[in-house]
Amino acid sequence: DVKVTQSSRYLVKRTGEKVFLECVQDMDHENMFWYRQDPGLGLRLIYFSYDVKMKEKGDIPEGYSVSREKKERFSLILESASTNQTSMYLCASSFGDNTRELFFGEGSRLTVL
Amino acid sequence: RKEVEQDPGPFNVPEGATVAFNCTYSNSASQSFFWYRQDCRKEPKLLMSVYSSGNEDGRFTAQLNRASQYISLLIRDSKLSDSATYLCVVNTRGTGRRALTFGSGTRLQVQP
Repeated sequence: DVKVTQSSRYLVKRTGEKVFLECVQDMDHENMFWYRQDPGLGLRLIYFSYDVKMKEKGDIPEGYSVSREKKERFSLILESASTNQTSMYLCASSFGDNTRELFFGEGSRLTVL
Repeated sequence: RKEVEQDPGPFNVPEGATVAFNCTYSNSASQSFFWYRQDCRKEPKLLMSVYSSGNEDGRFTAQLNRASQYISLLIRDSKLSDSATYLCVVNTRGTGRRALTFGSGTRLQVQP
């Protein structure tokens, strides 16, 4: 079974803090994604990567950056957390093109006070 | 107009009922269509892909109407365990790995 593991299920941070969300997948998938999910807005793509050291902006990249130094690991970084970044963050991975299934981690619920 | 639109529901139906969800998409060039299921406080999981000719998986039937740019999901003989949010997913921008767009989901509550 594919496993996508997100390092933290729940985090509480203060405005201005730097936040790291880690994601690891164990199926050698080349594609990895970070989404945020908010009520009424659904899942929105923040960043994605289809190779080591490659990254592309999604629909809402402002205030975020990412790092992919190894194929299995994709990190989301909030340089200076703000209250409007309080959300559920979901990491996903997939193999091949966009006709393939996305496998999601369990999510990281971030609260910024 | 949103790229992928769904009726948020909730749809409250009794066990055994048949229920149908629709999802409309804006880009007529879209090629890939999916339904994902998300249980409360869980991650989304693929329910089924949607093929041009329509496809069935047990009690679930998915259909695509390219002319009207919508996809549908029909659930027959609803079970309590079908209670979840159903997400419509479309590649709204043609080919490319970044192209999957999620609808905001339709919530289904099956009642005893």
